[in-house]
Amino acid sequence: AQKITQTQPGMFVQEKEAVTLDCTYDTSDPSYGLFWYKQPSSGEMIFLIYQGSYDQQNATEGRYSLNFQKARKSANLVISASQLGDSAMYFCAMRERSTGNQFYFGTGTSLTVIP
Amino acid sequence: NAGVTQTPKFQVLKTGQSMTLQCAQDMNHNSMYWYRQDPGMGLRLIYYSASEGTTDKGEVPNGYNVSRLNKREFSLRLESAAPSQTSVYFCASSTPGGRDFWSTEAFFGQGTRLTVV
Repeated sequence: AQKITQTQPGMFVQEKEAVTLDCTYDTSDPSYGLFWYKQPSSGEMIFLIYQGSYDQQNATEGRYSLNFQKARKSANLVISASQLGDSAMYFCAMRERSTGNQFYFGTGTSLTVIP
Repeated sequence: NAGVTQTPKFQVLKTGQSMTLQCAQDMNHNSMYWYRQDPGMGLRLIYYSASEGTTDKGEVPNGYNVSRLNKREFSLRLESAAPSQTSVYFCASSTPGGRDFWSTEAFFGQGTRLTVV
Protein backbone atom coordinates (compact mmCIF):
# COMPACT_ATOMS: atom_id res chain seq x y z
CA ALA A 1 0.00 0.00 0.00
CA GLN A 2 1.13 3.49 -0.74
CA LYS A 3 2.29 5.39 2.29
CA ILE A 4 1.55 8.77 0.71
CA THR A 5 -1.15 9.43 -1.90
CA GLN A 6 -1.50 12.59 -3.90
CA THR A 7 -4.49 12.23 -6.20
CA GLN A 8 -4.20 15.51 -8.13
CA PRO A 9 -1.59 15.21 -10.89
CA GLY A 10 -2.23 18.79 -11.99
CA MET A 11 -4.00 21.82 -10.57
CA PHE A 12 -4.71 25.32 -11.84
CA VAL A 13 -5.40 28.38 -9.73
CA GLN A 14 -6.01 32.01 -10.52
CA GLU A 15 -3.45 34.44 -9.21
CA LYS A 16 -4.37 35.80 -5.75
CA GLU A 17 -6.78 32.93 -5.10
CA ALA A 18 -6.26 30.16 -2.54
CA VAL A 19 -5.63 26.56 -3.53
CA THR A 20 -5.65 23.25 -1.65
CA LEU A 21 -3.35 20.40 -2.59
CA ASP A 22 -4.47 17.03 -1.27
CA CYS A 23 -2.39 14.47 0.58
CA THR A 24 -3.49 11.33 2.37
CA TYR A 25 -1.18 9.03 4.26
CA ASP A 26 -1.17 5.53 5.62
CA THR A 27 0.48 4.58 8.88
CA SER A 28 -0.29 2.71 12.06
CA ASP A 29 2.52 4.41 13.94
CA PRO A 30 1.24 7.05 16.40
CA SER A 31 4.49 9.01 15.99
CA TYR A 32 5.08 10.51 12.58
CA GLY A 33 5.80 13.73 10.78
CA LEU A 34 4.34 15.12 7.57
CA PHE A 35 6.26 17.40 5.24
CA TRP A 36 5.54 19.40 2.12
CA TYR A 37 8.18 20.28 -0.45
CA LYS A 38 8.10 22.55 -3.47
CA GLN A 39 10.03 21.78 -6.64
CA PRO A 40 10.13 24.67 -9.11
CA SER A 41 11.11 24.16 -12.72
CA SER A 42 14.73 24.76 -11.77
CA GLY A 43 14.62 21.39 -10.01
CA GLU A 44 15.64 21.99 -6.42
CA MET A 45 13.57 20.61 -3.55
CA ILE A 46 12.46 23.31 -1.12
CA PHE A 47 11.05 22.42 2.28
CA LEU A 48 7.83 24.33 2.99
CA ILE A 49 6.07 23.15 6.12
CA TYR A 50 5.96 20.41 8.75
CA GLN A 51 3.16 18.90 10.83
CA GLY A 52 3.75 16.46 13.69
CA SER A 53 1.30 13.74 14.62
CA TYR A 54 0.99 15.09 18.15
CA ASP A 55 0.54 18.69 17.14
CA GLN A 56 -2.80 20.04 18.30
CA GLN A 57 -2.87 22.93 15.88
CA ASN A 58 -2.47 23.12 12.13
CA ALA A 59 0.96 24.26 11.02
CA THR A 60 1.35 27.60 9.27
CA GLU A 61 4.30 29.21 7.51
CA GLY A 62 3.51 32.51 5.87
CA ARG A 63 1.09 31.84 3.01
CA TYR A 64 1.31 28.09 3.56
CA SER A 65 -0.86 26.22 5.99
CA LEU A 66 -1.48 22.58 6.55
CA ASN A 67 -5.02 21.31 7.02
CA PHE A 68 -4.31 18.32 9.26
CA GLN A 69 -7.18 15.90 9.76
CA LYS A 70 -5.70 13.08 11.78
CA ALA A 71 -8.74 10.80 11.87
CA ARG A 72 -9.03 10.99 8.09
CA LYS A 73 -5.26 10.68 7.67
CA SER A 74 -5.07 13.72 5.48
CA ALA A 75 -2.57 16.56 5.43
CA ASN A 76 -3.62 19.00 2.75
CA LEU A 77 -1.47 21.99 1.86
CA VAL A 78 -3.28 25.29 1.53
CA ILE A 79 -1.60 28.12 -0.34
CA SER A 80 -3.28 31.46 0.14
CA ALA A 81 -3.07 34.44 -2.23
CA SER A 82 -1.37 32.44 -4.98
CA GLN A 83 1.49 34.06 -6.84
CA LEU A 84 2.99 33.27 -10.24
CA GLY A 85 6.08 32.02 -8.44
CA ASP A 86 4.01 29.31 -6.76
CA SER A 87 3.85 27.42 -10.07
CA ALA A 88 5.78 24.25 -9.30
CA MET A 89 5.54 20.58 -8.34
CA TYR A 90 4.52 19.96 -4.75
CA PHE A 91 5.37 16.80 -2.87
CA CYS A 92 3.92 15.48 0.35
CA ALA A 93 6.17 13.27 2.47
CA MET A 94 6.02 11.33 5.73
CA ARG A 95 8.54 10.09 8.26
CA GLU A 96 7.59 7.53 10.92
CA ARG A 97 9.22 6.70 14.20
CA SER A 98 8.95 2.95 13.53
CA THR A 99 10.70 2.97 10.16
CA GLY A 100 13.48 5.17 11.42
CA ASN A 101 15.19 7.24 8.83
CA GLN A 102 13.07 6.70 5.76
CA PHE A 103 11.06 9.46 4.14
CA TYR A 104 8.10 8.40 2.01
CA PHE A 105 7.10 10.68 -0.84
CA GLY A 106 3.93 11.02 -2.88
CA THR A 107 3.91 11.31 -6.66
CA GLY A 108 3.43 15.05 -6.55
CA THR A 109 0.97 17.67 -7.79
CA SER A 110 1.85 20.12 -10.52
CA LEU A 111 0.42 23.54 -9.71
CA THR A 112 0.03 26.22 -12.35
CA VAL A 113 -0.89 29.74 -11.32
CA ILE A 114 -2.76 31.62 -14.03
CA PRO A 115 -2.34 35.41 -14.26
CA ASN B 1 26.28 27.58 3.78
CA ALA B 2 26.70 24.94 1.09
CA GLY B 3 24.21 22.44 2.59
CA VAL B 4 24.11 19.35 0.37
CA THR B 5 26.36 19.36 -2.68
CA GLN B 6 26.01 16.89 -5.52
CA THR B 7 28.29 16.37 -8.46
CA PRO B 8 27.96 16.27 -11.39
CA LYS B 9 24.81 18.19 -12.29
CA PHE B 10 24.47 16.57 -15.69
CA GLN B 11 25.87 13.36 -17.14
CA VAL B 12 25.38 11.32 -20.29
CA LEU B 13 26.52 7.70 -20.23
CA LYS B 14 26.56 4.94 -22.75
CA THR B 15 24.92 1.66 -21.85
CA GLY B 16 27.35 -0.45 -19.84
CA GLN B 17 29.49 2.42 -18.62
CA SER B 18 30.02 3.03 -14.92
CA MET B 19 30.00 6.19 -12.91
CA THR B 20 29.86 7.49 -9.36
CA LEU B 21 27.63 10.29 -8.18
CA GLN B 22 29.16 12.22 -5.33
CA CYS B 23 27.33 13.83 -2.45
CA ALA B 24 28.62 15.79 0.52
CA GLN B 25 26.86 17.64 3.31
CA ASP B 26 28.28 20.14 5.75
CA MET B 27 25.44 20.16 8.30
CA ASN B 28 26.81 17.36 10.49
CA HIS B 29 23.81 15.20 9.67
CA ASN B 30 23.83 11.53 10.53
CA SER B 31 21.41 10.31 7.86
CA MET B 32 21.94 10.50 4.12
CA TYR B 33 19.82 9.32 1.22
CA TRP B 34 19.81 8.72 -2.50
CA TYR B 35 16.55 9.12 -4.40
CA ARG B 36 15.65 8.91 -8.03
CA GLN B 37 12.87 10.99 -9.54
CA ASP B 38 10.97 9.86 -12.60
CA PRO B 39 7.92 11.54 -14.16
CA GLY B 40 4.70 10.53 -12.43
CA MET B 41 6.48 8.44 -9.83
CA GLY B 42 7.63 10.96 -7.28
CA LEU B 43 10.85 10.32 -5.40
CA ARG B 44 11.83 6.73 -4.83
CA LEU B 45 14.46 5.77 -2.30
CA ILE B 46 17.44 3.89 -3.68
CA TYR B 47 19.66 3.58 -0.59
CA TYR B 48 20.08 5.34 2.66
CA SER B 49 22.62 5.52 5.44
CA ALA B 50 21.41 6.07 8.98
CA SER B 51 24.89 6.79 10.24
CA GLU B 52 28.51 6.57 9.25
CA GLY B 53 29.40 2.96 8.47
CA THR B 54 25.87 1.76 7.77
CA THR B 55 23.85 1.53 4.57
CA ASP B 56 20.45 0.06 3.81
CA LYS B 57 18.47 -0.69 0.69
CA GLY B 58 15.48 1.38 -0.17
CA GLU B 59 12.66 0.76 -2.60
CA VAL B 60 14.69 0.51 -5.84
CA PRO B 61 18.28 -0.60 -5.06
CA ASN B 62 18.91 -2.91 -8.02
CA GLY B 63 21.73 -1.77 -10.25
CA TYR B 64 23.22 0.59 -7.65
CA ASN B 65 25.81 0.49 -4.91
CA VAL B 66 26.59 3.07 -2.26
CA SER B 67 29.44 4.00 0.02
CA ARG B 68 29.25 6.10 3.15
CA LEU B 69 32.82 7.26 3.05
CA ASN B 70 32.59 9.32 6.22
CA LYS B 71 29.95 11.37 7.99
CA ARG B 72 29.97 14.01 5.27
CA GLU B 73 30.04 11.95 2.09
CA PHE B 74 27.68 9.41 0.55
CA SER B 75 28.32 8.22 -3.00
CA LEU B 76 26.13 6.32 -5.44
CA ARG B 77 27.69 4.04 -8.02
CA LEU B 78 26.22 2.65 -11.21
CA GLU B 79 28.40 -0.30 -12.19
CA SER B 80 26.88 -0.95 -15.60
CA ALA B 81 24.47 1.77 -16.62
CA ALA B 82 21.20 0.87 -18.35
CA PRO B 83 18.69 3.12 -20.15
CA SER B 84 16.21 2.37 -17.33
CA GLN B 85 18.52 4.30 -15.02
CA THR B 86 17.92 7.51 -16.93
CA SER B 87 16.54 9.74 -14.22
CA VAL B 88 17.15 12.69 -11.96
CA TYR B 89 19.06 11.67 -8.84
CA PHE B 90 18.84 13.51 -5.56
CA CYS B 91 21.01 13.20 -2.53
CA ALA B 92 19.53 14.30 0.79
CA SER B 93 20.53 14.45 4.41
CA SER B 94 18.77 14.72 7.74
CA THR B 95 19.49 14.46 11.39
CA PRO B 96 17.85 12.31 14.02
CA GLY B 97 17.38 15.51 15.98
CA GLY B 98 17.19 13.92 19.36
CA ARG B 99 14.09 12.32 20.79
CA ASP B 100 11.62 13.25 18.07
CA PHE B 101 13.77 12.53 15.06
CA TRP B 102 10.77 12.09 12.79
CA SER B 103 10.13 15.81 13.07
CA THR B 104 13.24 16.83 11.15
CA GLU B 105 13.09 17.51 7.45
CA ALA B 106 15.40 16.30 4.74
CA PHE B 107 17.71 18.73 2.97
CA PHE B 108 18.29 18.08 -0.70
CA GLY B 109 21.09 18.62 -3.14
CA GLN B 110 20.41 20.24 -6.49
CA GLY B 111 20.08 16.94 -8.32
CA THR B 112 21.95 15.13 -11.07
CA ARG B 113 20.28 14.66 -14.41
CA LEU B 114 21.57 11.37 -15.81
CA THR B 115 20.87 10.13 -19.31
CA VAL B 116 21.89 6.62 -20.38
CA VAL B 117 21.92 6.08 -24.14
